[in-house]
Amino acid sequence: SQQGEEDPQALSIQEGENATMNCSYKTSINNLQWYRQNSGRGLVHLILIRSNEREKHSGRLRVTLDTSKKSSSLLITASRAADTASYFCATDDDYKLSFGAGTTVTVRA
Amino acid sequence: ETGVTQTPRHLVMGMTNKKSLKCEQHLGHNAMYWYKQSAKKPLELMFVYSLEERVENNSVPSRFSPECPNSSHLFLHLHTLQPEDSALYLCASSPPGAGANVLTFGAGSRLTVL
Repeated sequence: SQQGEEDPQALSIQEGENATMNCSYKTSINNLQWYRQNSGRGLVHLILIRSNEREKHSGRLRVTLDTSKKSSSLLITASRAADTASYFCATDDDYKLSFGAGTTVTVRA
Repeated sequence: ETGVTQTPRHLVMGMTNKKSLKCEQHLGHNAMYWYKQSAKKPLELMFVYSLEERVENNSVPSRFSPECPNSSHLFLHLHTLQPEDSALYLCASSPPGAGANVLTFGAGSRLTVL
């Protein structure tokens, strides 16, 4: 199964700054999802973007998808300390999702 | 809480012990999953159950044995584990249909094998 691969592995930013992370994948997809995981907890679904969509917004989150480059990006605007977490992209392969290793984001006060 | 409950949250076991992890959801979902999360590695899909039938067994060692008695409950039976099996085990569920699998995860069971 294919997996999304997030980049960078870790990111440290000041509160109020924007955070951008990228995801690359190998084969065609139906949709791509982003999840957040707070330390030692389960993953929480953030946003889903379908293969025929190029951009999607949800609150302070903006996701883009470029199927020609097989890549997606997640932008968190005006970051807050509560955004400190790991972020994962997941590609949908029929009945299952394949996740990468995630990007760890630290927001400094 | 997400609606997916995992117990126990923490488990320490010796290599010769037998224990079980439990997952429960009352969201009306019909698919349930076990993932293994080790530090700095991608989540590993272990098992998928859809309508109580196993549809995925991702080359998982036989020392891990899943059980899905009904669509609300999922177990992972553990026996003769190895120290490298220490990890966070995540259960998830997803609703029927809709053409996209959006997963709801539990908080995880942190397993330490001594």
